[in-house]
Amino acid sequence: DAGVIQSPRHEVTEMGQEVTLRCKPISGHDYLFWYRQTMMRGLELLIYFNNNVPIDDSGMPEDRFSAKMPNASFSTLKIQPSEPRDSAVYFCASSLVGTGGNIQYFGAGTRLSVL
Amino acid sequence: ELKVEQNPLFLSMQEGKNYTIYCNYSTTSDRLYWYRQDPGKSLESLFVLLSNGAVKQEGRLMASLDTKARLSTLHITAAVHDLSATYFCAVEETSGSRLTFGEGTQLTVNP
Repeated sequence: DAGVIQSPRHEVTEMGQEVTLRCKPISGHDYLFWYRQTMMRGLELLIYFNNNVPIDDSGMPEDRFSAKMPNASFSTLKIQPSEPRDSAVYFCASSLVGTGGNIQYFGAGTRLSVL
Repeated sequence: ELKVEQNPLFLSMQEGKNYTIYCNYSTTSDRLYWYRQDPGKSLESLFVLLSNGAVKQEGRLMASLDTKARLSTLHITAAVHDLSATYFCAVEETSGSRLTFGEGTQLTVNP
């Protein structure tokens, strides 16, 4: 398997623009997670899905953020409108929960810069 | 709310030395994970600890879990430069499948 695939790898946009981040989880995994990482706040869980259903979105900072998982192989995280404080690295991770635990496999991340 | 604390947050050590990173957490859990992150890269799974007393070793790294003390340790033996990275512990809450990550320990191994 190619692992968790995120696109784009880098995104530079201007304040007020819509940003869409994409994620393809590992095939067969039943959980998908979106994280944000900054120097100031560390690694924060934004939202996670189980079998395409959102389970906990309490980490989504505000209504400007939304996430969807229309099928088992694709998820998006959208920011509209974007603000400079949204600049961060956004990671997607997927896992298959079982007797071996809940190892989350991370994508390479999307580095977002909002000017 | 589950809290996960690592210490130290920054560690500079010489090659060949031993050291331990500590991960404390605030609520009952018997599932703990260690990850490594190289600068500008993603997180990579290192160890999975799923019961009290679990010990895992890979090369110069050894992780252990004491669920009664709510403590995990990551021990580094005879450090080498290639171990320089940020190490995260993460605790799985028993009630769900989310992981709560510590702040990370930035390790620098100097020649």
